[in-house]
Amino acid sequence: DAGVIQSPRHEVTEMGQEVTLRCKPISGHDYLFWYRQTMMRGLELLIYFNNNVPIDDSGMPEDRFSAKMPNASFSTLKIQPSEPRDSAVYFCASSLTSEDQPQHFGDGTRLSIL
Amino acid sequence: TQLLKQSPQFLSIQEGENLTVYCNSSSVFSSLQWYRQEPGEGPVLLVTVVTGGEVKKLKRLTFQFGDARKDSSLHITAAQTGDTGLYLCAGLYNFNKFYFGSGTKLNVKP
Repeated sequence: DAGVIQSPRHEVTEMGQEVTLRCKPISGHDYLFWYRQTMMRGLELLIYFNNNVPIDDSGMPEDRFSAKMPNASFSTLKIQPSEPRDSAVYFCASSLTSEDQPQHFGDGTRLSIL
Repeated sequence: TQLLKQSPQFLSIQEGENLTVYCNSSSVFSSLQWYRQEPGEGPVLLVTVVTGGEVKKLKRLTFQFGDARKDSSLHITAAQTGDTGLYLCAGLYNFNKFYFGSGTKLNVKP
């Protein structure tokens, strides 16, 4: 079975540019999570969805960040405009039925904002 | 503010040694998970513990959930180079959201 698929794996762009990260969760999983990982702050939950509906976006740093889940098999995390402090590895994860089920992570997108 | 504190942050040991890493909080968790993450990959679930005092074993790995469900430990017996990685604990708080600890970076030398 395919796991969680993220694209791109690496993104390097200049500050001020729009960045779009993509995620395809495991088929049949009802929950989708976006995380950001840095050395300083570890793994932080940004937002999560249940059945395509955003449930908790309290971890989204600021209005420059937005996330959508137009259908059960696709989600995007957008940063506009990007800043150097947004540089991090962004992970998408999905899980079955409820928040306390195991989360299956993608391999992440390593984002560098110059 | 980090709800979960992991210690030590870094650990470098020789193959064959035993080790224990800790995950502590002042908050009570509904359940707690341990993940291992290798460079360039996402975290992979090792175990979930739910009941206070629960002990789970996974080959050479032993996981314990504190009686008060505020802390957990992971003990590795006879570490191997393949155990190298970042170990993360994640606690389910208030039955609705997981918080991850800062991680313990383990290096097992041959």
